[in-house]
Amino acid sequence: EAGVAQSPRYKIIEKRQSVAFWCNPISGHATLYWYQQILGQGPKLLIQFQNNGVVDDSQLPKDRFSAERLKGVDSTLKIQPAKLEDSAVYLCASSLVSGRNEQFFGPGTRLTVL
Amino acid sequence: SQQGEEDPQALSIQEGENATMNCSYKTSINNLQWYRQNSGRGLVHLILIRSNEREKHSGRLRVTLDTSKKSSSLLITASRAADTASYFCATAYYGNNRLAFGKGNQVVVIP
Repeated sequence: EAGVAQSPRYKIIEKRQSVAFWCNPISGHATLYWYQQILGQGPKLLIQFQNNGVVDDSQLPKDRFSAERLKGVDSTLKIQPAKLEDSAVYLCASSLVSGRNEQFFGPGTRLTVL
Repeated sequence: SQQGEEDPQALSIQEGENATMNCSYKTSINNLQWYRQNSGRGLVHLILIRSNEREKHSGRLRVTLDTSKKSSSLLITASRAADTASYFCATAYYGNNRLAFGKGNQVVVIP
């Protein structure tokens, strides 16, 4: 079966610019996650969707980050305006059931903010 | 913090040797999962152990869980150069279902 797809794979922007990432989860997976992974650290959950509803966004910096999952399938994560500390890999993952099953990760988008 | 913490942080071994990593956590969990991340690639799920399980095997991997000590270990037997990667433990807690990742263990297998 096809895995989790993400685009773009790499993005370089200047601070204060905006950027958007796209994710297409595995077909049939109701739960979708966005993680931020800073170099040398483990992934940190930013937001979790169950179908098209938000389950957990407690660690999402809502003043600059936003995410949506229209129709319960694809999702976009946006940063506006970007800061230097947003440089990281943004990982999208999906799972059948939240918390009790393995998560399948996409290849990630490496963001560099200059 | 509820995050799993791996120990040791970095490990260098010869091909064919066994590699052991430990993970500790702070509160009761639903399950604990181990993931691998190769350089420049995404995370791959290795194994999931539920809170009522004590040991689980998958190929050359063996995971143990001691809920009384709030710790888990991952053993890779007969390591190969392809096992060179970062290994993360991640804990799923009752109540919020959030998966919390540790900082990871960097394992280098020398051919």
